[in-house]
Amino acid sequence: AQSVTQPDIHITVSEGASLELRCNYSYGATPYLFWYVQSPGQGLQLLLKYFSGDTLVQGIKGFEAEFKRSQSSFNLRKPSVHWSDAAEYFCAVAEGGSYIPTFGRGTSLIVHP
Amino acid sequence: NAGVTQTPKFQVLKTGQSMTLQCAQDMNHEYMSWYRQDPGMGLRLIHYSVGAGITDQGEVPNGYNVSRSTTEDFPLRLLSAAPSQTSVYFCASRDLGIYNEQFFGPGTRLTVL
Repeated sequence: AQSVTQPDIHITVSEGASLELRCNYSYGATPYLFWYVQSPGQGLQLLLKYFSGDTLVQGIKGFEAEFKRSQSSFNLRKPSVHWSDAAEYFCAVAEGGSYIPTFGRGTSLIVHP
Repeated sequence: NAGVTQTPKFQVLKTGQSMTLQCAQDMNHEYMSWYRQDPGMGLRLIHYSVGAGITDQGEVPNGYNVSRSTTEDFPLRLLSAAPSQTSVYFCASRDLGIYNEQFFGPGTRLTVL
């Protein structure tokens, strides 16, 4: 069965610093991978997704993620964090052809001015 | 286009009471689902539906019922609320076929005393 691990519960960065949020998955074939963001009191919004092809994917709000099959990882990055990026970030994985993603437990991003 | 709407936003119940969380979408999406979000647990799938008249259980279905009589609506019923059902509930919808973005509602915060 597919599973997702987000090893960091909380990440604290200073505004303007770079960011990397880690995500590892467990699935035999090529997975469908997603990153979602949840602002306080809001629902989830899709940042980016990977199905196939170029392993570096660009998303909204200046985020990108890189799929590394050898490491079973799909880490989210942003070169310069803004205070408005403070939120909860969720990685999710779905089997090919499945409608049902499995979500990680989330990483809470705290941004210091 | 309202997207995915959920009512109510907040609800307090006493143990043993019943209630229905409402979810509606106006995007003609076949797939709809319910998640619960608990601290440190990420999102866990309760029930899902791939079309009117078709529902199935997710990871944590016990204590919840669903039905899908129309494409637009997917209500979640708690027959006899328990404190363990205190959570934030999210409804989501998406198109079937090629894996498309899931759209999430704003959530319902439920407290069971």
